Amino acid sequence: SAVISQKPSRDICQRGTSLTIQCQVDSQVTMMFWYRQQPGQSLTLIATANQGSEATYESGFVIDKFPISRPNLTFSTLTVSNMSPEDSSIYLCSVSGPTNTGELFFGEGSRLTVL
Amino acid sequence: GENVEQHPSTLSVQEGDSAVIKCTYSDSASNYFPWYKQELGKRPQLIIDIRSNVGEKKDQRIAVTLNKTAKHFSLHITETQPEDSAVYFCAATSGTYKYIFGTGTRLKVLA
Repeated sequence: SAVISQKPSRDICQRGTSLTIQCQVDSQVTMMFWYRQQPGQSLTLIATANQGSEATYESGFVIDKFPISRPNLTFSTLTVSNMSPEDSSIYLCSVSGPTNTGELFFGEGSRLTVL
Repeated sequence: GENVEQHPSTLSVQEGDSAVIKCTYSDSASNYFPWYKQELGKRPQLIIDIRSNVGEKKDQRIAVTLNKTAKHFSLHITETQPEDSAVYFCAATSGTYKYIFGTGTRLKVLA
């Protein structure tokens, strides 16, 4: 399995500000994924982050709003820029397992509340 | 693109009864179907999965069935216990790690 640490675990932010979420994995992984889970909703893929290349964003998500860094094989950051109350969500980092079974492992999530 | 529908959205059962959650998918290329359990305030965790070359898989009280022709798969939990209370998500992927998750089912097991 993969152990994923995310921080912050939660934060309250002011409208118009930006916040960067960090994700640290205990093993080297090729792909890291960022998901958004709005209150009471399902998980929606924001982007896939590969080391050494630009992140691949899903429909409805853009780099200017959600810039992602992937400096090495164990770490990634997601920034939520120019936040509005609609950005209040749980943001989850995820990686595929080291044995390539298809299983996704998730971090505990970062719960953001935008006032 | 892939679309995954999940039903019901909420499900209440008496302790000891069975619970069934159903999902349908649209992309015939999907070949991996995991089920995740998310307890309140916790991360989603895999509980069982099935690949397209298998029709059924069982792990103790949990089983998953897959009907490729009809493009639907189901989660079956027998002898439910209060600790089974959680939100369950199905998902489908064609092997690219791009998972499409269902909308979730909130299961409540009544003691």
